[in-house]
Amino acid sequence: EVQLLESGGDLVQPGGSLRLSCAASGFAFSSYAMSWVRQAPGKGLEWVSAISGSDAKTYYADSVKGRFTISRDSSKNTLYLQMNSLRAEDTAVYYCAKSYTNAWYYDWGQGTLVTVSS
Amino acid sequence: EIVLTQSPGTLSLSPGERATLSCRASQSLSNSQIAWYQQKPGQAPRLLIYGASSRATGIPDRFSGSGSGTDFTLTISRLEPEDFAVYYCQQYGSAPTFGGGTKVEIK
Repeated sequence: EVQLLESGGDLVQPGGSLRLSCAASGFAFSSYAMSWVRQAPGKGLEWVSAISGSDAKTYYADSVKGRFTISRDSSKNTLYLQMNSLRAEDTAVYYCAKSYTNAWYYDWGQGTLVTVSS
Repeated sequence: EIVLTQSPGTLSLSPGERATLSCRASQSLSNSQIAWYQQKPGQAPRLLIYGASSRATGIPDRFSGSGSGTDFTLTISRLEPEDFAVYYCQQYGSAPTFGGGTKVEIK
């Protein structure tokens, strides 16, 4: 059974930084692309970033490009999202999501809440 | 960016009724690269349908997907009490995008 457990969400001031983690189990982590998807309070879903399984190629939404960095550690079966220069509009629940083979639809973790406020 | 427009925004129905949800893409998805998710309050989304019409593991057969090109539909043949939720479509033909959601509420 696929299990994805996010952590690291917190209250942070505008301009601050935060690193999210996602511990994965129940599947061959290094073989699958992984993504972060966020959901602002009361709003819909927004894809944020992805990293491929084989060559760790990275992809970003325009809204976070240059501020967020996705990475993975296959020795620890863990996905990360380093978030810098945070803005109020980055406030959301951040979900870790596992892609299926050669297709970016998802199984989801339970999410971690990031609040950017002074 | 491929924009997905879901309609209606809210669907008010009674248990046992049929629900028909629409998702329209701004560009053709030649390989029917559409997924549908269900989300209940305080929970993560759950995958229902992928490839426009294939049910994910463990999804009841009252859920079905159809469509091609730019127009896609999720149908719930007979609503059960646990089906009242928000439903999102997602395209994965290019950088993933999601529709704005359809809320299925109890009438």
